[in-house]
Amino acid sequence: KAGVTQTPRYLIKTRGQQVTLSCSPISGHRSVSWYQQTPGQGLQFLFEYFSETQRNKGNFPGRFSGRQFSNSRSEMNVSTLELGDSALYLCASSLRASGGATGELFFGEGSRLTVL
Amino acid sequence: AQSVTQLGSHVSVSEGALVLLRCNYSSSVPPYLFWYVQYPNQGLQLLLKYTSAATLVKGINGFEAEFKKSETSFHLTKPSAHMSDAAEYFCAVSEYNDMRFGAGTRLTVKP
Repeated sequence: KAGVTQTPRYLIKTRGQQVTLSCSPISGHRSVSWYQQTPGQGLQFLFEYFSETQRNKGNFPGRFSGRQFSNSRSEMNVSTLELGDSALYLCASSLRASGGATGELFFGEGSRLTVL
Repeated sequence: AQSVTQLGSHVSVSEGALVLLRCNYSSSVPPYLFWYVQYPNQGLQLLLKYTSAATLVKGINGFEAEFKKSETSFHLTKPSAHMSDAAEYFCAVSEYNDMRFGAGTRLTVKP
């Protein structure tokens, strides 16, 4: 069974640009969550999608957005990039919302974004 | 809202020594608690989980954690550290299907 796939793995952008990151969950998983990981702030929850609906959202500005398609693949978009957006963006999938009672989230290897 | 506090952002042990990573939680309902591990340049993977069954939970790679309600703790231990245990460890709590992670503890294993 293929794991969670995130693309691209690495990317470099400049301030003011926008970026779109993609996440393909494990087959059959309907929930996709996105996290931002930085050395200073740790692992911060961005949002979760379940069956194409945003179920939960963290405390990030409106420049951060996402969506989920009918095949459960998800994309997140960051517009008007700032230097502080440099981070590892992790996607996690699960069968049920937020991993359900079992709490098991399956993570991808992440997309490392560098903003210059 | 639920939360977790991991005591110590960095822990260093010698190979063969006991590993102890501390986690305290706050939850308004009986919690589900988890430990995840992140190796360099990888995503997180589930190490073990507590879901109100046995209070001593065994996970992969020889790790275990004990749920102590009176202390609101869920510390992670391993009797003998191995070089391959060097990684970042995250404690997490789930309440009403809402998962929150701690800040993480980076474990260094010295030869």
